[in-house]
Amino acid sequence: AQSVTQPDIHITVSEGASLELRCNYSYGATPYLFWYVQSPGQGLQLLLKYFSGDTLVQGIKGFEAEFKRSQSSFNLRKPSVHWSDAAEYFCAVGADNDMRFGAGTRLTVKP
Amino acid sequence: GAVVSQHPSRVICKSGTSVKIECRSLDFQATTMFWYRQFPKKSLMLMATSNEGSKATYEQGVEKDKFLINHASLTLSTLTVTSAHPEDSSFYICAGQGSYANTGELFFGEGSRLTVL
Repeated sequence: AQSVTQPDIHITVSEGASLELRCNYSYGATPYLFWYVQSPGQGLQLLLKYFSGDTLVQGIKGFEAEFKRSQSSFNLRKPSVHWSDAAEYFCAVGADNDMRFGAGTRLTVKP
Repeated sequence: GAVVSQHPSRVICKSGTSVKIECRSLDFQATTMFWYRQFPKKSLMLMATSNEGSKATYEQGVEKDKFLINHASLTLSTLTVTSAHPEDSSFYICAGQGSYANTGELFFGEGSRLTVL
């Protein structure tokens, strides 16, 4: 069965520190992979996506993610976190007619 | 990117009434529309998937007679919460997938916060 796991419910980092949010998935074939960010009370904004090709993808706001087929992972990274990055982050995995979300990781940024 | 417009953004209704939420894809054809429900501080729970012109496919545990989904055209899908009860209060989000870039990417509506009194 398809599933998406974000093992970290809540992460706190200091402003300027690096960040890595984990995402693992179980899917029948290589799916489309996405990271979305959601600010409180808001909709979702796409940070980046992977469909094929280069396994390291660049997104908006300085985020990047690396697809590792052997580990079924698609971890999100940012070298230096800004206070405005505090939000909920969702990993999503799917294909045509199917899209599943992880439970989300809430990011808190300390001054 | 493509735009999905979702209305209303907020709605308050009395218990027992029905509420309709609309999602329109403004600049692409949404061949598939996903409807999600999000509880406070929780992830998005897929409720149903609908393809234009077909009956929606509901996830296990979602009452199809309570959450009526219509996807009559490539640019419009609606979710009607029938005989709403306070436990139906939630944040409902639609997402369209379709002709834009043909990459399977979802384009999300802004969400609708339903409060049932």
